[in-house]
Amino acid sequence: EAQVTQNPRYLITVTGKKLTVTCSQNMNHEYMSWYRQDPGLGLRQIYYSMNVEVTDKGDVPEGYKVSRKEKRNFPLILESPSPNQTSLYFCASSLSPSTSSYEQYFGPGTRLTVT
Amino acid sequence: GQNIDQPTEMTATEGAIVQINCTYQTSGFNGLFWYQQHAGEAPTFLSYNVLDGLEEKGRFSSFLSRSKGYSYLLLKELQMKDSASYLCAVRDAGLTGGGNKLTFGTGTQLKVEL
Repeated sequence: EAQVTQNPRYLITVTGKKLTVTCSQNMNHEYMSWYRQDPGLGLRQIYYSMNVEVTDKGDVPEGYKVSRKEKRNFPLILESPSPNQTSLYFCASSLSPSTSSYEQYFGPGTRLTVT
Repeated sequence: GQNIDQPTEMTATEGAIVQINCTYQTSGFNGLFWYQQHAGEAPTFLSYNVLDGLEEKGRFSSFLSRSKGYSYLLLKELQMKDSASYLCAVRDAGLTGGGNKLTFGTGTQLKVEL
């Protein structure tokens, strides 16, 4: 089954404790992206990657890191989480925008709480 | 940058037709998407417009006018399961990133009533 998976689905952590949210897709998609969703603010892009070893900042990259060592994986790293990073996070993937079909497929979401 | 506006909430009756509008301002337009998101779930793709005009897909249609910076999503024969948030998203043909930076509106919460 074609899908985007994220782990963990739920996480409660404390300020300053490094964490990684994994994202994996099995559709051989070139493009992957991370979003956070907050009430009243909608989905905001954190980072995106056009292909392996190619990443770029979205609208809200501060406090986050990403890597794209393999095509299928795009982990989101919070080196020192803070309470303002409490949010619902979505990973998404799609074919390259140079193709005719590049709708984004979203993972199930990771609800992160930082105390 | 981009600025995307859509109504916060709408209510409609089962079996009716509803139109959800989206206006945008962008420095470089490279396509507009509509997504549906049920509470607590991931967004799912509904439609994509890059040229002016109407795209129809079953009960859902989407319209785009690039000169007006305007799109709408039309939902026909509304069903209770259509109660969800509808997200308008614009792709930016920026100088970096190969034109794949996607900006979402805050979403329109649609409530379908009996």
